[in-house]
Amino acid sequence: AQSVTQLDSQVPVFEEAPVELRCNYSSSVSVYLFWYVQYPNQGLQLLLKYLSGSTLVKGINGFEAEFNKSQTSFHLRKPSVHISDTAEYFCAVSENQAGTALIFGKGTTLSVSS
Amino acid sequence: NAGVTQTPKFRVLKTGQSMTLLCAQDMNHEYMYWYRQDPGMGLRLIHYSVGEGTTAKGEVPDGYNVSRLKKQNFLLGLESAAPSQTSVYFCASRTLAGGSYEQYFGPGTRLTVT
Repeated sequence: AQSVTQLDSQVPVFEEAPVELRCNYSSSVSVYLFWYVQYPNQGLQLLLKYLSGSTLVKGINGFEAEFNKSQTSFHLRKPSVHISDTAEYFCAVSENQAGTALIFGKGTTLSVSS
Repeated sequence: NAGVTQTPKFRVLKTGQSMTLLCAQDMNHEYMYWYRQDPGMGLRLIHYSVGEGTTAKGEVPDGYNVSRLKKQNFLLGLESAAPSQTSVYFCASRTLAGGSYEQYFGPGTRLTVT
């Protein structure tokens, strides 16, 4: 069975500092990996995804993530955060089969202060 | 193009009451999903559908029923609401075509059961 572990439930950072949100997964088969962002009182929006190919994936709002198959990780990074990046971030995994739903981590709350 | 919409946005129920949440998508997507989001738990799959007239159970199906009579609509029913069903409910959809695997989320329904 698949599972996703987000290693930090809360990450406080100062504006313009770099940030890394960690995600590890377990699966016995090949997977697709996703990061979603949820701003307060809103739905989820896709930040980026890894399906195949280059292990470094660039997304919206200056975020990027690196797929590491040997470490079963998909950490999210941003070199310089803004106040507006304050949100909850979810890592999710899907087995690469048609119809398979996403398995979500429990989320990481990123709080950016000035 | 409205994407994924959910009705209602908020609802308060008394224990034992019933209700139906409506999800509608105008993207002609084949797959649709219902998740619930609880603090510190991430999103958990309740039921999903891979096409009109078909549904399947997810991780936490007990106490819920679903129907997909039309391709664009996915209904989630609570027959006898319980306080444990207090949650935020998200609907999502995705296409079978194009190899995207991205799920598009609605804005959520906040349900309180007293």
